[in-house]
Amino acid sequence: DAGVIQSPRHEVTEMGQEVTLRCKPISGHNSLFWYRQTMMRGLELLIYFNNNVPIDDSGMPEDRFSAKMPNASFSTLKIQPSEPRDSAVYFCASSLSVGARPGEQYFGPGTRLTVT
Amino acid sequence: RKEVEQDPGPFNVPEGATVAFNCTYSNSASQSFFWYRQDCRKEPKLLMSVYSSGNEDGRFTAQLNRASQYISLLIRDSKLSDSATYLCVVNPIDSWGKLQFGAGTQVVVTP
Repeated sequence: DAGVIQSPRHEVTEMGQEVTLRCKPISGHNSLFWYRQTMMRGLELLIYFNNNVPIDDSGMPEDRFSAKMPNASFSTLKIQPSEPRDSAVYFCASSLSVGARPGEQYFGPGTRLTVT
Repeated sequence: RKEVEQDPGPFNVPEGATVAFNCTYSNSASQSFFWYRQDCRKEPKLLMSVYSSGNEDGRFTAQLNRASQYISLLIRDSKLSDSATYLCVVNPIDSWGKLQFGAGTQVVVTP
């Protein structure tokens, strides 16, 4: 079975540009999570969706960040405008919300974002 | 104070030896506990869940001490392929899915 798919795998952009990260969760999973990982702050939850509905976006750093999940098989995380401090690895993860322990999340390979 | 704290290491372990390390958590209402493994420049992967009575999965043993609010992971007969960063993960009882990750403990198994 295919795991969580993320694109692009690497993104280099200039400050001020819009960046869109994409995620396809594992088929049948109904919860989707966006994380950011940096050396300084470790792994941080940005936002999560349950059945395509945003449940908690308290981790989204500021209004420049937005996330959508238009259907069960696709989500985007957008940064507009991007800043150098947004440079990080962005992971998407998915899980089942019923019949599974909440920590059993499956991560995608991540998008390594560099903003110059 | 961080919600989940781990010794960053590195723990340098000869191949075949045993290594153990802990993680402490601050929220006494935490409900679920996990160990994830992350290889360099890769995504975190679930290693094992941690149950109240302690549990074992092959060479890996996890223990939970709710009274002292710590979780431990022990690796027996270490293999070179065990070299990785081990992330301690906690899920508070009132926040399904909002996992709290420790910064990780690095383990380096040497020949």
